[in-house]
Amino acid sequence: GAVVSQHPSWVICKSGTSVKIECRSLDFQATTMFWYRQFPKQSLMLMATSNEGSKATYEQGVEKDKFLINHASLTLSTLTVTSAHPEDSSFYICSAPPEIAYNEQFFGPGTRLTVL
Amino acid sequence: KNQVEQSPQSLIILEGKNCTLQCNYTVSPFSNLRWYKQDTGRGPVSLTIMTFSENTKSNGRYTATLDADTKQSSLHITASQLSDSASYICVVSAGGATNKLIFGTGTLLAVQP
Repeated sequence: GAVVSQHPSWVICKSGTSVKIECRSLDFQATTMFWYRQFPKQSLMLMATSNEGSKATYEQGVEKDKFLINHASLTLSTLTVTSAHPEDSSFYICSAPPEIAYNEQFFGPGTRLTVL
Repeated sequence: KNQVEQSPQSLIILEGKNCTLQCNYTVSPFSNLRWYKQDTGRGPVSLTIMTFSENTKSNGRYTATLDADTKQSSLHITASQLSDSASYICVVSAGGATNKLIFGTGTLLAVQP
């Protein structure tokens, strides 16, 4: 089946630094990818929709200048958490619907971010 | 407001027993309903996906039902195994060009020996 990978799987950083998370669709093309954040014991919350070749669409309350999204190709989207703070510590998950099966959606394994 | 509610919030069962998880939704327009299994610290994995016209769909020991009239769905797990311990999330696709997903809060299932 279709596979979505994320890198890194976990990262620990100091407060004030920036962290980049990659999301790749390994065996299919995705013009759209989604970024979610999940806090402990809560469900996934959509942060933004990443669109290949155009600007990302952010959900209400998500700071676009803090969470930079780049969808450089049909198989890669990146999320950069800029000037990270402890409250940004969370589990970040991406998902991608294949172009040929847009009703389906495959999730990455997630990235655990801990900001000290 | 588009919402997906799940019950129970958590559930403990003994290995080998069956269980049923519930999902109620108010999402419009409706495209499809999915059940995902999420292990701790991992991304969700799809179990079933049902469109408006489908009433039931099975995937091994998992059987999902959908009543589009009452906007309810259930996930039945048969002969539970320890590896079934996870969070089960009901997700409704609101359809349209954005393909946005509305997530339930999940049911945390613990299967004990």
